[in-house]
Amino acid sequence: GDSVTQMEGPVTLSEEAFLTINCTYTATGYPSLFWYVQYPGEGLQLLLKATKADDKGSNKGFEATYRKETTSFHLEKGSVQVSDSAVYFCALSDPWGSGYSTLTFGKGTMLLVSP
Amino acid sequence: EAGVTQFPSHSVIEKGQTVTLRCDPISGHDNLYWYRRVMGKEIKFLLHFVKESKQDESGMPNNRFLAERTGGTYSTLKVQPAELEDSGVYFCASREESTEAFFGQGTRLTVV
Repeated sequence: GDSVTQMEGPVTLSEEAFLTINCTYTATGYPSLFWYVQYPGEGLQLLLKATKADDKGSNKGFEATYRKETTSFHLEKGSVQVSDSAVYFCALSDPWGSGYSTLTFGKGTMLLVSP
Repeated sequence: EAGVTQFPSHSVIEKGQTVTLRCDPISGHDNLYWYRRVMGKEIKFLLHFVKESKQDESGMPNNRFLAERTGGTYSTLKVQPAELEDSGVYFCASREESTEAFFGQGTRLTVV
């Protein structure tokens, strides 16, 4: 079945450091890929998505590119802020757009950014 | 517009007791999902409603879990009797056709 693997955390960075959180997936079809974020005390929020190979999703300075050849969707940000401290979840949905599609998540990666 | 709302935010119950979680989706969203995250593990799909019908309940762990969505509005997830391994965060999400899923804040369930 479908699965998502993301790097173990916590990831601890200083403010303005470069961030990469690795995510790879296994899927039988052509999934859509997502990054969700959970800030402390809040629910899951969609951060960005990509629906086909070579698409780049971006939001709030975060980017991720759908790489079919490496089955990856790594999350990057050039300069993190303390307010980016949260848990980040990589997920896939196969197929996107169907009213019946469900999400398969990774384990989540906690990011801690210090001033 | 109100988001997805879940009640309660936290619940601590003893093993063997019953707990009912509630989810109010975004108004007009026919699709409603329940997910669960056990500590340190993946968020896992439990079930999916389309309006009041169960479209997919393949993720429900066992028959101690019962989900309902009477009238196609809010949904409840009852655990009876609760076991220690049921502890975790239960998320509800709703969506329209071909749009992203919007999640609630989750209910943190602790069974002691």
